[in-house]
Amino acid sequence: AQSVTQLDSQVPVFEEAPVELRCNYSSSVSVYLFWYVQYPNQGLQLLLKYLSGSTLVESINGFEAEFNKSQTSFHLRKPSVHISDTAEYFCAVSGIGGYNKLIFGAGTRLAVHP
Amino acid sequence: DAGVTQSPTHLIKTRGQQVTLRCSPKSGHDTVSWYQQALGQGPQFIFQYYEEEERQRGNFPDRFSGHQFPNYSSELNVNALLLGDSALYLCASSRGDGNQPQHFGDGTRLSIL
Repeated sequence: AQSVTQLDSQVPVFEEAPVELRCNYSSSVSVYLFWYVQYPNQGLQLLLKYLSGSTLVESINGFEAEFNKSQTSFHLRKPSVHISDTAEYFCAVSGIGGYNKLIFGAGTRLAVHP
Repeated sequence: DAGVTQSPTHLIKTRGQQVTLRCSPKSGHDTVSWYQQALGQGPQFIFQYYEEEERQRGNFPDRFSGHQFPNYSSELNVNALLLGDSALYLCASSRGDGNQPQHFGDGTRLSIL
């Protein structure tokens, strides 16, 4: 079984400042890791994923996340945020060899202020 | 290329009623998963359909049932609705391979009065 803990329910930050959204997971098997973003009144959009290979993965809009197996973490970072990054961010895992059932954290609300 | 589409977008029901939600997967996808997202929480896995059969189920009662059709579209049925069933219901599709990321629709907002 897997579980995901997102350590911050809300993260307020000023525009152009750096941000880190923290995610830790627990699993008895190896996992794939994902970050999804949810804008108001919308579904979830895949931001980035770690399946294998390089532990640092990047998205097209400047976010990056690093898989740390020893610390069972997959924190999301962005060096400079924009107002448009305001959204809910969800970390998720799925067990390798399973049927890609996603287990989500409770989410982190990123609020970017001018 | 159409993504995952869900209908209806909003629905209001009363306790004890039954509801059916619908989902069309992204083109090329054969697997459909359903999630329940209560207000202020992360999505929770309900079940997954592949080749018209339920192949994995989360911790939800039998009041929640589903179906997948030969064209890969899917329905989620909930019987004997409770106030606690009020939530955003999300459909996600993927290809059958285990490591393929899921693509989500915009959801159906179900309100129980």
